[in-house]
Amino acid sequence: ETGVTQSPTHLIKTRGQQVTLRCSSQSGHNTVSWYQQALGQGPQFIFQYYREEENGRGNFPPRFSGLQFPNYSSELNVNALELDDSALYLCASSWDRAIEAFFGQGTRLTVV
Amino acid sequence: QKEVEQNSGPLSVPEGAIASLNCTYSDRGSQSFFWYRQYSGKSPELIMFIYSNGDKEDGRFTAQLNKASQYVSLLIRDSQPSDSATYLCAVEYYRGGADGLTFGKGTHLIIQP
Repeated sequence: ETGVTQSPTHLIKTRGQQVTLRCSSQSGHNTVSWYQQALGQGPQFIFQYYREEENGRGNFPPRFSGLQFPNYSSELNVNALELDDSALYLCASSWDRAIEAFFGQGTRLTVV
Repeated sequence: QKEVEQNSGPLSVPEGAIASLNCTYSDRGSQSFFWYRQYSGKSPELIMFIYSNGDKEDGRFTAQLNKASQYVSLLIRDSQPSDSATYLCAVEYYRGGADGLTFGKGTHLIIQP
């Protein structure tokens, strides 16, 4: 049990729709990172938030956006969903941008 | 292009034997190295991390790092059927998280009873 909680656990959306995924970080952690894991692949870094600011971003288009709140929980928003967005979305939290990252249970997104 | 390479397997090892998992990475400036275990349908679970050349042991697990060869490995001693999973190698290229972790595709390990 890592203390990182994601919701929902599963989600089905239609192509073109928008989706919001949520992450509650482990108590005391001020950094949240998001990853996308397609089937059979390793996770890919989407972005990281540190103290409510985006600290870094991977090679994802602008329709992937995020927020971090004062309590350090975070949201991942994806607009104009495409079939290839179907994946396991993982959230990880840590202290002060450290990468000793512990993942939540993930959100399985299916786009049809 | 930052790359992390792993043999996808499956790697089949008899119960009680040593399982050896290997990973190479492309960028000599890499800072930190991580091993995760992922069961089917679950999220990755951090096993251990290593920063310095040499060996680091934690219970049945030993991580080995050779920065000159750009090579990191994970040894699992006394392998158990519960160790059957996909093992992901991850590399941090930039300390401070700006690039996140770069993952390999994982090695599927099967421990045969």
